[in-house]
Amino acid sequence: DIQMTQSPSSLSASVGDRVTITCRTGQNIRTHLNWYQQKAGKGPNLLIKTASTLESGVPPRFSGSGSGTDFTLTISGLQPEDFATYYCQQSYITPITFGQGTRLEI
Amino acid sequence: QVQLVESGGGVVQPGRSLRLSCAASGFTFSRNAMHWVRQAPGRGPEWVAVISDDGSSKYYVDSVKGRFTIFRDNSKNTLYLQMNSLGAEDTGVYYCAKCWDCGRASYYAGAFDIWGQGSMVTVPS
Repeated sequence: DIQMTQSPSSLSASVGDRVTITCRTGQNIRTHLNWYQQKAGKGPNLLIKTASTLESGVPPRFSGSGSGTDFTLTISGLQPEDFATYYCQQSYITPITFGQGTRLEI
Repeated sequence: QVQLVESGGGVVQPGRSLRLSCAASGFTFSRNAMHWVRQAPGRGPEWVAVISDDGSSKYYVDSVKGRFTIFRDNSKNTLYLQMNSLGAEDTGVYYCAKCWDCGRASYYAGAFDIWGQGSMVTVPS
């Protein structure tokens, strides 16, 4: 199985800040890496697919980069609605695996 | 409107069975691989199973192999998860998810672009 290491596990920031979340995989997955946002009591919502493609309807303050084994999610200009938990997920091969999550707090 | 609606969750005693359903609408269900993903309380998502668009290929996470069966009825636009021999470790919210860019080469791995609202399964310890 492909191991996923996401960091940090939690992050405190303020409205307007720029934050970066990192995901490292245990093997080369090219760009088969996706990012999700999850709010309390809701299912995950796809933000970024194939490492850097913004999902339709997602604000452009979200961006993704990376390839191989190292990936980042950046949120530029945090908004109040962005405080949530974020997960990375590899879609290179089954079994699909997720990172442990990053809780973004005010 | 693209939508997935799960049903069938509940409280079930250890060792018993439960079947989840996921009704799809707003897209061509028969052309998409579909997944089940679960999330234990306070934990991150865990992928459970995938089925190809025509139902001919199925893959499972090791912890449910031999106990869970994923299947679909394309005539009814419905995905199912039959869960047998349930244990406390199976407790969580179960989501069905539509797969984007899933192909045979990756054993139908892909991104999950549409999720259901989730169905809670509770197995007391």
